[in-house]
Amino acid sequence: QAVVTQEPSLTVSPGGTVTVTCGSSTGPVTIVNYPYWFQLRPGQAPRTLISDTTKRHSTTPARFSGSLLGGKAALTLSGAQPEDEAEYYCLLFYGADRNRVFGGGTRLTV
Amino acid sequence: QVQVVQSGAELKKPGDSVKVSCKTSGNTFNGQYIQWVRQAPGRGLEWLGRIHPTRGDADYTQTLQGRLTMTADTSISTAFMELGSLTFDDTATYYCAARTTGDFDFWGPGTLLTVSS
Repeated sequence: QAVVTQEPSLTVSPGGTVTVTCGSSTGPVTIVNYPYWFQLRPGQAPRTLISDTTKRHSTTPARFSGSLLGGKAALTLSGAQPEDEAEYYCLLFYGADRNRVFGGGTRLTV
Repeated sequence: QVQVVQSGAELKKPGDSVKVSCKTSGNTFNGQYIQWVRQAPGRGLEWLGRIHPTRGDADYTQTLQGRLTMTADTSISTAFMELGSLTFDDTATYYCAARTTGDFDFWGPGTLLTVSS
């Protein structure tokens, strides 16, 4: 099974910009990995932020954006708010075995 | 508006099986995959698998192959996740998610499974 890697933790100042990345042990992440991004707060169900690399969920604030960056999937937060302090997880699809694998999560401090 | 309701918390012993349900309303249940994810205490998210309710085909994570079975009853718009041969490591909150335009559009509240002797 592939291993998906994220930064364990990041810190951003209020109003600042931060990028969380998501890499794969099998090689560059591309659109056929259909990257997803989720926000997780303690005691709550996951919240879907981004699907299929760049598509914002209907409830996702515009300050969150998804992209591919240097062979990885990326989640960029522009204009961080205190309420954005949470864990962020990416999820990649592997078509060869129709498997999906989460990254280890990134704890974001604002 | 899509709503997702899951069954209540479960307490099981090692070696037992558990069956968690996930009922959706407000969407076209029959034509959309249901995804299952879990989070163990102090750990990250783990994708378990997905099922297409009408076709019945399911994909499972390799790590739980042989212990995990996903089914669905289209007459009651409910999907089920059954995990057998439980160990302490299966203690976790189990989530299902329903699709409308994206695979994880709407999440259930989670079902806490505790495996304890």
